[in-house]
Amino acid sequence: AQTVTQSQPEMSVQEAETVTLSCTYDTSESDYYLFWYKQPPSRQMILVIRQEAYKQQNATENRFSVNFQKAAKSFSLKISDSQLGDAAMYFCALDGANSKLTFGKGITLSVRP
Amino acid sequence: DGGITQSPKYLFRKEGQNVTLSCEQNLNHDAMYWYRQDPGQGLRLIYYSQIVNDFQKGDIAEGYSVSREKKESFPLTVTSAQKNPTAFYLCASRRTLTGGNYGYTFGSGTRLTVV
Repeated sequence: AQTVTQSQPEMSVQEAETVTLSCTYDTSESDYYLFWYKQPPSRQMILVIRQEAYKQQNATENRFSVNFQKAAKSFSLKISDSQLGDAAMYFCALDGANSKLTFGKGITLSVRP
Repeated sequence: DGGITQSPKYLFRKEGQNVTLSCEQNLNHDAMYWYRQDPGQGLRLIYYSQIVNDFQKGDIAEGYSVSREKKESFPLTVTSAQKNPTAFYLCASRRTLTGGNYGYTFGSGTRLTVV
């Protein structure tokens, strides 16, 4: 079985500052994908960033980057230059060979103006 | 534009009724999924289907049923056996080509409330 753990239910960041959202996971597979999804108040799930486990290089997408530590099974999301529109719930998710996307419980990020 | 359409956006169910949530995609994706979202629980997998006419139970399948008669459609029925159906339901799809996983596409969800 695969599990995803997001231990922080809420975080807050000042606009223009940097924030890091934590995620740990567990899987017995060697080949898998990790994702961060954003869910704004509209509740539409939006893919923020993806990471292939066999790639050592950390993924980046504009202001969003990850710190992928495969041995530690850690996959944190860093948001730089935080904007008001970044306020949302963020979910970490793991997709293994069985093609069942497993989610963490999510973290609510608020951005202070 | 390609995407996933879920309907209705809001649905009210009386005790003892079966209701069906619709999910249609025009992305030509092979795999489709149903998730349930409750506050503080994240998203939990109900059922998924990798190909037409085949589907598997997820982690919380009890009280739910699905069908996959067409590639584009994956309706979810919430039966009277589901004891606590009030939740937000999300449908998703994924292309299953070899060589990469580019994430799942989600619909906009259905909010089901028992009255």
